[in-house]
Amino acid sequence: GAVVSQHPSWVICKSGTSVKIECRSLDFQATTMFWYRQFPKQSLMLMATSNEGSKATYEQGVEKDKFLINHASLTLSTLTVTSAHPEDSSFYICSARATLTSGVNTDTQYFGPGTRLTVL
Amino acid sequence: RKEVEQDPGPFNVPEGATVAFNCTYSNSASQSFFWYRQDCRKEPKLLMSVYSSGNEDGRFTAQLNRASQYISLLIRDSKLSDSATYLCVVNSRGGGSYIPTFGRGTSLIVHP
Repeated sequence: GAVVSQHPSWVICKSGTSVKIECRSLDFQATTMFWYRQFPKQSLMLMATSNEGSKATYEQGVEKDKFLINHASLTLSTLTVTSAHPEDSSFYICSARATLTSGVNTDTQYFGPGTRLTVL
Repeated sequence: RKEVEQDPGPFNVPEGATVAFNCTYSNSASQSFFWYRQDCRKEPKLLMSVYSSGNEDGRFTAQLNRASQYISLLIRDSKLSDSATYLCVVNSRGGGSYIPTFGRGTSLIVHP
């Protein structure tokens, strides 16, 4: 149990286009989902915390108008990188924390496999 | 000062060696602690949770020292497959929920 999927797994796009990344908890409900970004040889950087049905909380330095997060259900959160530029090229990873009633450890984050974004 | 600090390494050890990593955290109100393993170009995978009483899972032992604000991971009888980056994660309360903070990771290379 506790599987998280991400789609797409990789994407290449032109500068100026928008890219949507989906994060789904497949066999449990997630109260909270986290979005991270990781540049080569660097640590995971938390971008935002997303709670179902409410606005995401963005970390300092992350532009909320550029990285749109929607968490419409307990199993799906989306991250849209708007007007992507080459400097947005990175490995984007989501993680999910289970609800109390899901039967899964609520203190642990379960990670998706990540989405590798390359902006030309 | 970073909230969660780890020695980035790399730690280069022969097969069969015992290796230990430390991770320090600055928020004394931190609630829970974990070690994750991340292979190159892959997502992090939970290795083990860390409790005050210490916990062991096969060749891996994790310990938490709240007084000194650090956690440790000990790997005995290292295998080639243990080569990876080990991430320390600290959960702290924020805005009514837990906010995770990752360390930068410690790179381990196990060679024949």
